[in-house]
Amino acid sequence: QKEVEQDPGPLSVPEGAIVSLNCTYSNSAFQYFMWYRQYSRKGPELLMYTYSSGNKEDGRFTAQVDKSSKYISLFIRDSQPSDSATYLCAMSATAAGNKLTFGGGTRVLVKP
Amino acid sequence: DAGVTQSPTHLIKTRGQQVTLRCSPKSGHDTVSWYQQALGQGPQFIFQYYEEEERQRGNFPDRFSGHQFPNYSSELNVNALLLGDSALYLCASSSSSELTQYFGPGTRLTVL
Repeated sequence: QKEVEQDPGPLSVPEGAIVSLNCTYSNSAFQYFMWYRQYSRKGPELLMYTYSSGNKEDGRFTAQVDKSSKYISLFIRDSQPSDSATYLCAMSATAAGNKLTFGGGTRVLVKP
Repeated sequence: DAGVTQSPTHLIKTRGQQVTLRCSPKSGHDTVSWYQQALGQGPQFIFQYYEEEERQRGNFPDRFSGHQFPNYSSELNVNALLLGDSALYLCASSSSSELTQYFGPGTRLTVL
């Protein structure tokens, strides 16, 4: 079983809809949680970074962490065709020297 | 301010050959991590360099080795290439005072 599980999709939504993404994990030592966006044949781009449990909002993006359930989520409001990409969750047990453990990524398609 | 840069963009090798990939971190960053991303999967941690030393290593064989130079740039070397080494190789940089990792565009390696 992988440490971090993520539905590969694809997740297809109409423009303007809310995109809901999530990851589950098994390692209770993870404390730092990140979401990256990756366009085809490009490197991952950091979207959101949260520490421990709770919510964090940044523009159209909201990240939620529930450590008791080992479950994290990313919501994208008012989705645009330019949001079409693969979204990767990543986690780390420590801040310094932080090896990242990634999920497999969810491919998202936002249709005009 | 240039972000993380990697070279070459892509290359093709045959089984048994050796390859060297290069990475220049973002200005102000002193830590470089390398990841392997197979097609359709999330990145997997190979190793991390800080102060010219390998600080952490993932579950990769000794055929994978690296180096960090005094200017913080880094190289990834892979010996005795296998078909399964075909992947996108990502470099990420960070600093001890900043927790997040920033990724380069990657080097796409094809082994024939």
